[in-house]
Amino acid sequence: KQEVTQIPAALSVPEGENLVLNCSFTDSAIYNLQWFRQDPGKGLTSLLLIQSSQREQTSGRLNASLDKSSGRSTLYIAASQPGDSATYLCAVNYGQNFVFGPGTRLSVLP
Amino acid sequence: EAQVTQNPRYLITVTGKKLTVTCSQNMNHEYMSWYRQDPGLGLRQIYYSMNVEVTDKGDVPEGYKVSRKEKRNFPLILESPSPNQTSLYFCASSLWGAAGELFFGEGSRLTVL
Repeated sequence: KQEVTQIPAALSVPEGENLVLNCSFTDSAIYNLQWFRQDPGKGLTSLLLIQSSQREQTSGRLNASLDKSSGRSTLYIAASQPGDSATYLCAVNYGQNFVFGPGTRLSVLP
Repeated sequence: EAQVTQNPRYLITVTGKKLTVTCSQNMNHEYMSWYRQDPGLGLRQIYYSMNVEVTDKGDVPEGYKVSRKEKRNFPLILESPSPNQTSLYFCASSLWGAAGELFFGEGSRLTVL
């Protein structure tokens, strides 16, 4: 069964810290992996998409890496800000279906 | 502007009263999908469609129907809603396969009394 897990489930950091969110998947036959941000009660906003042939993608203060062989992806957030507080989800694309992790709830304290 | 549009955004209804949540995308995407999100359970797929007239069950299809008569539209139908279908629903679309970045609608919050 294709499963996606995320560690930690919740994280609280002071403003300005660099942090890493982790995503693991059991089936490495992926098309791509996508990181999303979700604010409470709101929709999902796409942050980064990494194709299966890529090792990493960067957008501003965000950097996502992918190690397909070990079934892992990390989302690195540099110089965190209170506005980064949200739930971060990874989604693995297996072609016919997308499997989501449970998310990491991030709180950045001023 | 590329987008996925869901309607209604908020709905309160009563048990047994049929309802339809519409979803439309303007990106000519082949793949469309419905999810429900519940506290502690995360996002769970209800149905998905690889193309027009092609639909398949996701993880939690019971109590739902879908149709894909046109490429841009993928309505979710609750024939006889029950309180356990109270949830936040999301529609999403994607180009199928390697280019498949998933785009989400803003969500539809449904309450069944």
